[in-house]
Amino acid sequence: ETGVTQTPRHLVMGMTNKKSLKCEQHLGHNAMYWYKQSAKKPLELMFVYNFKEQTENNSVPSRFSPECPNSSHLFLHLHTLQPEDSALYLCASRWEGANTGELFFGEGSRLTVL
Amino acid sequence: QKEVEQNSGPLSVPEGAIASLNCTYSDRGSQSFFWYRQYSGKSPELIMFIYSNGDKEDGRFTAQLNKASQYVSLLIRDSQPSDSATYLCAVPQAGTALIFGKGTTLSVSS
Repeated sequence: ETGVTQTPRHLVMGMTNKKSLKCEQHLGHNAMYWYKQSAKKPLELMFVYNFKEQTENNSVPSRFSPECPNSSHLFLHLHTLQPEDSALYLCASRWEGANTGELFFGEGSRLTVL
Repeated sequence: QKEVEQNSGPLSVPEGAIASLNCTYSDRGSQSFFWYRQYSGKSPELIMFIYSNGDKEDGRFTAQLNKASQYVSLLIRDSQPSDSATYLCAVPQAGTALIFGKGTTLSVSS
């Protein structure tokens, strides 16, 4: 496995369900991120983890709950979502401190909330 | 909160032409700028980054920075149909994550 992998690639859930998105990076990076991509809107930064510690939470509703058990894994736990939460959820990683600041993205998890 | 603005397009150019994509940013103190390309149904991939010390060329791609007017451009020479994608401009926020614009959709016709 190389790069950043996300599972599942597609998820359909009802508003009362609980599900989780998983992200794993194989690049040795120390920072991981969740972004939300909706149609006609910019990529929205949701959460930032540096060295497993959450350093940023961009006013994300509590129905989204991140978890970072180690520097290679990142989860996004979902519960009681709304239809407007339907979007592409992208995980990304980078080496904090690198000059390029390049983010490496996973292929995303396409979420549909019914 | 830093802001990044892009014209969503679509920008249509014929094959072989020069495509010019622009991005404006709100924070005058921004020092580095990134261009990502995103094909439909795929994740963004980095194609170019520049620092505030000048323009940069990489193959058919050139990134130009105008700090006085606070905009950065991406020029694609000899555009190919395979260049058809959405191009995202981004700047770092507080040295951590990148803040992205909405992206400009480029369509190159053969």
